[in-house]
Amino acid sequence: SQTIHQWPATLVQPVGSPLSLECTVEGTSNPNLYWYRQAAGRGLQLLFYSVGIGQISSEVPQNLSASRPQDRQFILSSKKLLLSDSGFYLCAWKGGPSSGYTFGSGTRLTVV
Amino acid sequence: AQSVTQLDSQVPVFEEAPVELRCNYSSSVSVYLFWYVQYPNQGLQLLLKYLSGSTLVKGINGFEAEFNKSQTSFHLRKPSVHISDTAEYFCAVSDLAGTASKLTFGTGTRLQVTL
Repeated sequence: SQTIHQWPATLVQPVGSPLSLECTVEGTSNPNLYWYRQAAGRGLQLLFYSVGIGQISSEVPQNLSASRPQDRQFILSSKKLLLSDSGFYLCAWKGGPSSGYTFGSGTRLTVV
Repeated sequence: AQSVTQLDSQVPVFEEAPVELRCNYSSSVSVYLFWYVQYPNQGLQLLLKYLSGSTLVKGINGFEAEFNKSQTSFHLRKPSVHISDTAEYFCAVSDLAGTASKLTFGTGTRLQVTL
């Protein structure tokens, strides 16, 4: 069966520090991968998505970047965190055209 | 482009009462529709999805939703709620654009079930 792993679960980082959040998927190949952010009291905003290795599409200009070094690995990064980067970050994957989207358990990031 | 509107940010309801969470969408192309539930500090769990076929979709935990193309709606219903249904509910839409499909969410509805 397919599973999605996301870590860490919680993270407290000072302003200006770097960030690396990792997401991996097991039990499938060539999935579409997504990073979403949920700010406090708000809905989910799509940040990046990837349809294959090295292929990244950005939805919102921001202080973050994403990379897909392997088929089932999706990384969200920042060189210097801002207070506004705080939020709940969710990774998701999608298989074929008629399949649903499966989400990881999320990372709660607090920038202080 | 597509968008989702969840008109109710909060819905209070008594246990064992029925509930309807409203969702309307806008899209220039055919779409798939989803409802997700989020419990505090957790990820999203799929409740149900509409891809094609019958417009009445049954999901987990006794929830169901009806796709109404003419009204561009996909309202979520449950005939009798339980305390454990207290959570945030998100309606979402995905276009059918082949490999580059994306999921667009509404702003969520907080369902608060009380005794």
